[in-house]
Amino acid sequence: AQSVTQLDSHVSVSEGTPVLLRCNYSSSYSPSLFWYVQHPNKGLQLLLKYTSAATLVKGINGFEAEFKKSETSFHLTKPSAHMSDAAEYFCVVSDLTSGTYKYIFGTGTRLKVLA
Amino acid sequence: SAVISQKPSRDICQRGTSLTIQCQVDSQVTMMFWYRQQPGQSLTLIATANQGSEATYESGFVIDKFPISRPNLTFSTLTVSNLSPEDSSIYLCSAQDRYEQYFGPGTRLTVT
Repeated sequence: AQSVTQLDSHVSVSEGTPVLLRCNYSSSYSPSLFWYVQHPNKGLQLLLKYTSAATLVKGINGFEAEFKKSETSFHLTKPSAHMSDAAEYFCVVSDLTSGTYKYIFGTGTRLKVLA
Repeated sequence: SAVISQKPSRDICQRGTSLTIQCQVDSQVTMMFWYRQQPGQSLTLIATANQGSEATYESGFVIDKFPISRPNLTFSTLTVSNLSPEDSSIYLCSAQDRYEQYFGPGTRLTVT
């Protein structure tokens, strides 16, 4: 069975400082992993995805994540936070090899950016 | 990539009534999914809807409460029946395209 754990429900950073949002996963197969962002009263937007290619994945708006199989982690980072990054972030695991393609969402991390 | 639209974008319904949500995809897709996002919560998968077969429901969700139709490869509906205030949520549909799901904007349901 698959699962994903977002280790922090809330993260606060100052504008211009690095962002780290932590995600650990569990999967019986080779997982696909995604990060989505949801701004208040907005839809889900895909930030980046890992689908068994390069382990360091670059996404939109300066975000990147590194797939670490030994640590079963897929943490999201950004070198310098911007006020517009304040939003809810979801880590998602999907298992393609089982053929179901179902997404399992983490509980979310709310990022607050302080001026 | 697939573009997903949903109708209605929001609705306010009375207890005991039903709401049907429509999901339209701009291309043909095999798999579509319906999710619920309760206030302040993450997304929970309700069911998987494949064209030509009955929807597959996740644990805790039943067909009588959440009937789903999938008449063709570009369209699906979710009905939330016998509404109660606990059904107040955002309902999202998504479509599988290769290795990725594309999400609709969601339908915000408030039950009074």
